[in-house]
Amino acid sequence: DTEVTQTPKHLVMGMTNKKSLKCEQHMGHRAMYWYKQKAKKPPELMFVYSYEKLSINESVPSRFSPECPNSSLLNLHLHALQPEDSALYLCASSERTGQGGEQYFGPGTRLTVT
Amino acid sequence: GEDVEQSLFLSVREGDSSVINCTYTDSSSTYLYWYKQEPGAGLQLLTYIFSNMDMKQDQRLTVLLNKKDKHLSLRIADTQTGDSAIYFCAESISGGSYIPTFGRGTSLIVHP
Repeated sequence: DTEVTQTPKHLVMGMTNKKSLKCEQHMGHRAMYWYKQKAKKPPELMFVYSYEKLSINESVPSRFSPECPNSSLLNLHLHALQPEDSALYLCASSERTGQGGEQYFGPGTRLTVT
Repeated sequence: GEDVEQSLFLSVREGDSSVINCTYTDSSSTYLYWYKQEPGAGLQLLTYIFSNMDMKQDQRLTVLLNKKDKHLSLRIADTQTGDSAIYFCAESISGGSYIPTFGRGTSLIVHP
């Protein structure tokens, strides 16, 4: 099983809402990632978790709050977002950081902030 | 520093070969990747090559690496309409976290 799943597929939220994105993998990977991707652009790294601990935060605004409750799950909590935060949010996983190799991506959550 | 560059568009006829090119700047690159992204989908890792290799072949895909010129290419033989997608080149650097740095992507359009 080389699958990374993400829910929901689509999300529309207002600027005052609180919502969460979920990501799950069962490959035994110990590194998990959140990326943001705008249309026609490459993915931009937001956060990296290594062994369930936050190891990289790419200066992401605090209205995005990641959480890694266990080695298979990664959440992204959203609060008071802005319309410019509308994008495709991609989760990825790899065996671990610091060694290269294959990084597997989920299908993404298409987020629209109104 | 890290910088990965790709041309933005490529148009080919079905059945022809496609060659997508990429240049990178960091000589410490250890892994070089090709990802495919279809509309509305996530990224699919197609193949990757270690920087000590010159070539890697996997069915219709051939990756060529010219380390001296820091040039990477992806050749798709017998291109099909299902190959239409955006192709991202990416590199990861030794001595760091190995997290890939992506190019801007090449949009491949295959027409009948």
